[in-house]
Amino acid sequence: NAGVTQTPKFRVLKTGQSMTLLCAQDMNHEYMYWYRQDPGMGLRLIHYSVGEGTTAKGEVPDGYNVSRLKKQNFLLGLESAAPSQTSVYFCASSYSMNRGQTSWWTEAFFGQGTRLTVV
Amino acid sequence: AQSVAQPEDQVNVAEGNPLTVKCTYSVSGNPYLFWYVQYPNRGLQFLLKYITGDNLVKGSYGFEAEFNKSQTSFHLKKPSALVSDSALYFCAMNTGFQKLVFGTGTRLLVSP
Repeated sequence: NAGVTQTPKFRVLKTGQSMTLLCAQDMNHEYMYWYRQDPGMGLRLIHYSVGEGTTAKGEVPDGYNVSRLKKQNFLLGLESAAPSQTSVYFCASSYSMNRGQTSWWTEAFFGQGTRLTVV
Repeated sequence: AQSVAQPEDQVNVAEGNPLTVKCTYSVSGNPYLFWYVQYPNRGLQFLLKYITGDNLVKGSYGFEAEFNKSQTSFHLKKPSALVSDSALYFCAMNTGFQKLVFGTGTRLLVSP
């Protein structure tokens, strides 16, 4: 049981390049998330998904796209990287205690992070 | 708007002494609050959560947190700090579908 796995762990991009970050979870969780962590700002939600085939915007979605074609995978794409996207990216997954209903008390499980530098 | 604040960037404590890491929140309804810890170059690990009921919540590694509705606070505590507790601590609040809004984090340094 690996939990939440992020690929890659490190990446350096040139401005304007594109890339995809992969998140995989083996806990059969319905919900998945992408956050970015910047110094002094905590973690901020980029996009999230409440189920296979669904995605929604979070607090800071500009410049990113996501897809959830399979329940276990959540992809984060940068179409044209900018230096402002230099950050540490974390994927997380969570679950609902009651099928089809929101339960507010379940914790999130985080991946190890991807450190992205855009030069 | 729902928000979480951690007023201290860093907390310093000597090993064996009690520690407190502060968190305050703002929400119109019932808060669902969490504490996470991040060790260097690692992801976040869940410590404890407040849902409802007892205002003193016990979690992993000897940590506990005290929920105070009148002061809108959820402070993290430990009776006796260890050097290995040194890490970055985040307070967070569930805003629906387990989406989390985080505080800015507090770095805890425990000296030998």
